Amino acid sequence: DQQVKQNSPSLSVQEGRISILNCDYTNSMFDYFLWYKKYPAEGPTFLISISSIKDKNEDGRFTVFLNKSAKHLSLHIVPSQPGDSAVYFCAASATSGTYKYIFGTGTRLKVLA
Amino acid sequence: ETGVTQTPRHLVMGMTNKKSLKCEQHLGHNAMYWYKQSAKKPLELMFVYNFKEQTENNSVPSRFSPECPNSSHLFLHLHTLQPEDSALYLCASSQVGGLNEQFFGPGTRLTVL
Repeated sequence: DQQVKQNSPSLSVQEGRISILNCDYTNSMFDYFLWYKKYPAEGPTFLISISSIKDKNEDGRFTVFLNKSAKHLSLHIVPSQPGDSAVYFCAASATSGTYKYIFGTGTRLKVLA
Repeated sequence: ETGVTQTPRHLVMGMTNKKSLKCEQHLGHNAMYWYKQSAKKPLELMFVYNFKEQTENNSVPSRFSPECPNSSHLFLHLHTLQPEDSALYLCASSQVGGLNEQFFGPGTRLTVL
């Protein structure tokens, strides 16, 4: 059973508009979350993280929102750019555990020029 | 070289072959990881090494044998693999302890015939 789910395998957005990528988790022990971005033929690269003591973290065009009661987080990219086209992975960890990350299956974002 | 490097980038092998994947990190980290990414599945953690000692084996079949001679190098020895082992194998590194960002290599695309 997947503990971290990204239910949308793909998403297309027009350049300049907002991209919203969603992630749901089932383990209530998870309290630290990350987003990674992956281009073809490259490894995933860290994008942004959020701790459960916060409900929002912002870094430039990227904002992650965390809704603990719903066990849901989302990544907002505003404005979206063609260079943002990639696969985005959500990952979760429990700070009381072994610090290993559980990853989702990824969402492929395509930003149309 | 900078970051995390992996060789070879592509590998095709028969079920009776023995091959090895190599990973090297140039970041001064002391934790290294092997992940497997199969199509439409999340990244699956296989092994974790902290300070050259294996701290996690995620129920990986013995036909995969990791080796970590020092904190900068990690190998994955492959022997009598199955076609379902075909996947992208990603190496990552981080600092030990806490919720440290993992840095990934580009991966080795493995095909088992």
